[in-house]
Amino acid sequence: EPEVTQTPSHQVTQMGQEVILRCVPISNHLYFYWYRQILGQKVEFLVSFYNNEISEKSEIFDDQFSVERPDGSNFTLKIRSTKLEDSAMYFCASRGGGGRNIQYFGAGTRLSVL
Amino acid sequence: DAKTTQPTSMDCAEGRAANLPCNHSTISGNEYVYWYRQIHSQGPQYIIHGLKNNETNEMASLIITEDRKSSTLILPHATLRDTAVYYCIVRGTQASYNTDKLIFGTGTRLQVFP
Repeated sequence: EPEVTQTPSHQVTQMGQEVILRCVPISNHLYFYWYRQILGQKVEFLVSFYNNEISEKSEIFDDQFSVERPDGSNFTLKIRSTKLEDSAMYFCASRGGGGRNIQYFGAGTRLSVL
Repeated sequence: DAKTTQPTSMDCAEGRAANLPCNHSTISGNEYVYWYRQIHSQGPQYIIHGLKNNETNEMASLIITEDRKSSTLILPHATLRDTAVYYCIVRGTQASYNTDKLIFGTGTRLQVFP
């Protein structure tokens, strides 16, 4: 069964460093998303991406964040200068077109900012 | 904010049916009810969704009341592996792709015991 793949599973970084979280969405999917979940809190929407541009972003997704689909398979989330409060699980999701409108999530990347 | 209300937690004996309720009294005519679950800190997993008719798949059944103001997710024979947080989410159709984010609440923590 096709699945969304995220790497790395755990990323440790120093405050102020740049990190890139990587995702391989399900093949043939057209819509891509990033969510995050701070430990013990809700899953929060960050950004949606379609047709090589951002469709929607939340207030969390400020200038420190960016997304990119550098080739036909990868979808990345970059945090330019990490802060302690960026420590969280980051989930990538994708969905196809059509009427079912179901987002499939990856297993997540745990980002620890020290 | 989430448009749904769910109990904070529930218990269920292994092998029994787990019935998870959700209130969505402000649901509008074109909004679907989606159910996801999250096991430990893994990525949310899609379970089922519906508009107004009852739905069944290999994982669960979804019963939506006639007025659509509430629904129940049924896991017919709960196993220990069904222990998870279950999220009931109301969202519109995919016609507006730029507003198809998932808004997660706190969900129901289902504990299946032996």
